[in-house]
Amino acid sequence: ETGVTQSPTHLIKTRGQQVTLRCSSQSGHNTVSWYQQALGQGPQFIFQYYREEENGRGNFPPRFSGLQFPNYSSELNVNALELDDSALYLCASSAPPGIRGNYGYTFGSGTRLTVV
Amino acid sequence: KNEVEQSPQNLTAQEGEFITINCSYSVGISALHWLQQHPGGGIVSLFMLSSGKKKHGRLIATINIQEKHSSLHITASHPRDSAVYICAVRSFAGNQFYFGTGTSLTVIP
Repeated sequence: ETGVTQSPTHLIKTRGQQVTLRCSSQSGHNTVSWYQQALGQGPQFIFQYYREEENGRGNFPPRFSGLQFPNYSSELNVNALELDDSALYLCASSAPPGIRGNYGYTFGSGTRLTVV
Repeated sequence: KNEVEQSPQNLTAQEGEFITINCSYSVGISALHWLQQHPGGGIVSLFMLSSGKKKHGRLIATINIQEKHSSLHITASHPRDSAVYICAVRSFAGNQFYFGTGTSLTVIP
């Protein structure tokens, strides 16, 4: 059983550019959520995808968008990068809320994005 | 004010000590999670709670829904327990997640 894999592990982008981060979900999990963690802060919820549709969103602007694919892997896209977007981006997969046996989330190791 | 508050922010303990980390939240929740984050960012989900108490090895997590409070206890602490412990809640409506800023634990041999 594989865990959650995120790619790339590190990335440097220039302000104004666009970035795509990728996440593979754990086997048997069909819900993926994304989080932004700034240095010294707790993670902030960006959004969640279930069955290829966004079903929950935090307080992030529309330039943060996502996709979930039929194999439940996911992408996070950020357009028009700003310096404050520099952070660790974490992905987590889980079974759907309320499903018996959903005992938690499996997190990836994150992608560290630096915007210069 | 944050929806999730943790205390203490930083904690240093001697090996073998009993440790308690507290979490209070202000929103209605469907579940509360305790997470462990090691240097470099990797996060491990320790517990998911909606009521009562759970135990896994030396870790114990409790939740009081009426008081909107949860605690994470570590018995017989060990230097390998050194990490940041994060409390996170999933709101009852809207699939929103809120995180505490974490408790940085250092266990000294």
